[in-house]
Amino acid sequence: GAVVSQHPSWVICKSGTSVKIECRSLDFQATTMFWYRQFPKQSLMLMATSNEGSKATYEQGVEKDKFLINHASLTLSTLTVTSAHPEDSSFYICSARGGTSGFSYEQYFGPGTRLTVT
Amino acid sequence: GQNIDQPTEMTATEGAIVQINCTYQTSGFNGLFWYQQHAGEAPTFLSYNVLDGLEEKGRFSSFLSRSKGYSYLLLKELQMKDSASYLCAPSDSNYQLIWGAGTKLIIKP
Repeated sequence: GAVVSQHPSWVICKSGTSVKIECRSLDFQATTMFWYRQFPKQSLMLMATSNEGSKATYEQGVEKDKFLINHASLTLSTLTVTSAHPEDSSFYICSARGGTSGFSYEQYFGPGTRLTVT
Repeated sequence: GQNIDQPTEMTATEGAIVQINCTYQTSGFNGLFWYQQHAGEAPTFLSYNVLDGLEEKGRFSSFLSRSKGYSYLLLKELQMKDSASYLCAPSDSNYQLIWGAGTKLIIKP
């Protein structure tokens, strides 16, 4: 099956610094990638949708200048949390989709990145 | 609006059968996915239904009724490792998955 990787798996950073998280589709071309955030015991919250070569579409309430998304190629998207604050501590998960027809638009999830801001 | 309704938590016994129900309302519909999510991990794909009826895959089966906005996930021969959250995620007219809070399934020996 399709594999999506994320790096790093976990990261601890100091308040005010920036953190970059990478999401890669290893064996398929991801036309669309999604970034989610999940707080403990809560549902997945979609932050933004990105299509290769175009600007990301952010969900309401998500600051695009704080959460920078770059989908530079069909296999790589990055999320940069700028000027991180403790309230940004969460589980960040990316998913990738290869197409928009039938089964090909299943979302394959990366393993997630646990961010802790101190 | 768009809405997902699943029980918050269910408990079942090892070796038994459990059915997790999901009702949904979406703007358009392009199929429904079920995902499993263990604590601290990302979701993993279980099943996809786009037509009415039952899809069986090993110990797991998923059913869909589009006219009723209803789906269920059936887990047979429950094992301790099936303890997880189960997420019902319908796809709307933009092929966007709509996520609810999921159902936490607790398996007891």
